[in-house]
Amino acid sequence: GAVVSQHPSWVICKSGTSVKIECRSLDFQATTMFWYRQFPKQSLMLMATSNEGSKATYEQGVEKDKFLINHASLTLSTLTVTSAHPEDSSFYICSAEQGAYGYTFGSGTRLTVV
Amino acid sequence: ELKVEQNPLFLSMQEGKNYTIYCNYSTTSDRLYWYRQDPGKSLESLFVLLSNGAVKQEGRLMASLDTKARLSTLHITAAVHDLSATYFCAVRNAGKSTFGDGTTLTVKP
Repeated sequence: GAVVSQHPSWVICKSGTSVKIECRSLDFQATTMFWYRQFPKQSLMLMATSNEGSKATYEQGVEKDKFLINHASLTLSTLTVTSAHPEDSSFYICSAEQGAYGYTFGSGTRLTVV
Repeated sequence: ELKVEQNPLFLSMQEGKNYTIYCNYSTTSDRLYWYRQDPGKSLESLFVLLSNGAVKQEGRLMASLDTKARLSTLHITAAVHDLSATYFCAVRNAGKSTFGDGTTLTVKP
């Protein structure tokens, strides 16, 4: 089955710094990847759709300049949280679709901004 | 705007009992998914339902889809403690998935 690798699993950073999260499809090519955010005891909220070789599509209310998405190859998408603040602390999850397998999710990144 | 409603949101049940989780959605969709999430973990895919009347079973879990009623169910048979987790349904429309709020299931001995 499809495997999506996400790194890092957790990160603690100081307020005002930037953090990059990587999402790789290991055994398939993903022209489209999705980035979600999940607050404790809540559902997943789609932040943006990452398209290989083109600009990401952001959901309403998601700041493009704060959450930078790059999808430079068919196997790698990155999410950079710029000038992070405590309210950006959350669980970030990427996913990719592989045909009949449906969506495969990365293991998630728990971001804590102090 | 696609809306996905799950109920119940919280479910506490005894081992050996049966129960059903419901997932209603507001517009047409080409796929419906069920996922499991353990605390602190990411999502694990359980079922992909593609067409009206689809039924899939894995162990003690069985999922079904009624596209006319815009309803999917996840039925739990003879629950065991290992099934304790949060279950999400998600509906795909226009290439994007919208998730329900999740059902947190606790199975007690």
